[in-house]
Amino acid sequence: DSGVTQTPKHLITATGQRVTLRCSPRSGDLSVYWYQQSLDQGLQFLIHYYNGEERAKGNILERFSAQQFPDLHSELNLSSLELGDSALYFCASSVRNSGAYTQYFGPGTRLTVL
Amino acid sequence: GESVGLHLPTLSVQEGDNSIINCAYSNSASDYFIWYKQESGKGPQFIIDIRSNMDKRQGQRVTVLLNKTVKHLSLQIAATQPGDSAVYFCAENISNTGNQFYFGTGTSLTVIP
Repeated sequence: DSGVTQTPKHLITATGQRVTLRCSPRSGDLSVYWYQQSLDQGLQFLIHYYNGEERAKGNILERFSAQQFPDLHSELNLSSLELGDSALYFCASSVRNSGAYTQYFGPGTRLTVL
Repeated sequence: GESVGLHLPTLSVQEGDNSIINCAYSNSASDYFIWYKQESGKGPQFIIDIRSNMDKRQGQRVTVLLNKTVKHLSLQIAATQPGDSAVYFCAENISNTGNQFYFGTGTSLTVIP
């Protein structure tokens, strides 16, 4: 158990809908990262938050947004869903370890868009 | 753009044998690398890491080797067990992009009993 929690574990919805994925980082970790993993694809970085502020954006669509709250949990909002958005969504939190940041991943949310 | 790739998408080994999983990276500025293990339906699990000032690092049954000259990373698993069957990713951290990591697509390791 990495200490990172994600809810829900599974989500099934229809095209055009909007969903919210939730992540709680490890105790003490200030950073949260979101990744998308499609079938046979590697992890694609979406966005990084540090202590409530956006730090970096990757290949995140305009239909997607995220935020990190004062208690450090984060939410990833996916709107106007398309079939191609079906994927595993992971969040990770990081801890600084002697100058390097090690990322620990949550169990993921499997999103299925029908 | 950055690329972190794996030489072999699949690897099958006999139980008890040693496994070697390879990874190539493209950015010589990378200074931190992590190997992750991902079992089906689960999140990536940290296995071992190495910094660019090291060539080798050992953990429990695992060893990571870093060859900066050819920008190559490998993960060696000793006495491979059925529970080692999973997809293994290498991840590359490029210091000038902060703590953003780039991941390869993974190698699927199958251990044959």
